[in-house]
Amino acid sequence: GAVVSQHPSWVICKSGTSVKIECRSLDFQATTMFWYRQFPKQSLMLMATSNEGSKATYEQGVEKDKFLINHASLTLSTLTVTSAHPEDSSFYICSAREGNRVNQPQHFGDGTRLSIL
Amino acid sequence: KQEVTQIPAALSVPEGENLVLNCSFTDSAIYNLQWFRQDPGKGLTSLLLIQSSQREQTSGRLNASLDKSSGRSTLYIAASQPGDSATYLCAVLEGAQKLVFGQGTRLTINP
Repeated sequence: GAVVSQHPSWVICKSGTSVKIECRSLDFQATTMFWYRQFPKQSLMLMATSNEGSKATYEQGVEKDKFLINHASLTLSTLTVTSAHPEDSSFYICSAREGNRVNQPQHFGDGTRLSIL
Repeated sequence: KQEVTQIPAALSVPEGENLVLNCSFTDSAIYNLQWFRQDPGKGLTSLLLIQSSQREQTSGRLNASLDKSSGRSTLYIAASQPGDSATYLCAVLEGAQKLVFGQGTRLTINP
């Protein structure tokens, strides 16, 4: 089946540090990838849609200069949390859509737990 | 704005029981609906995907139904096992091509 790998799985760093999270589709090409954020005991909220070779589309209220997204190839999207602060601590999950049709399933990574001290 | 609601928020049942999880959504203009499983601290595992033109999907002990006109879906789990304990999330793919998630049902199966 389609596999999405997310790395790292856990990051602990000091306030002010920038953190990069990678999302890779291992056995399929993904024109579109998605980045979600999940606070404890809450559901997933879409942060941005990442399209290969073009700028990401951010959801309302998500700072594009804070959360930099790069989707330079059909198998890799990265999310960089710049100058992270404690309020950025959260669980970040990516997904990749297989194929170009809108109703194709999204396959999810295992998530990255980010803790900012 | 699409809103997805899952009831109950938490459910605890003895092993072996059949159970039903409920999901409702406010806007019936959806492409599909998916049920996911999430274990603590982990990502999402897709269980079943129902396209908007379909009424139900089955996989093993799981059966999901979709009534798009009334904005409802159910996930039926037969002969529950302790390994089924997890949070179950329902999500609809809406017209803006985004997945909108419910808050989830936290399921505990007691041995």
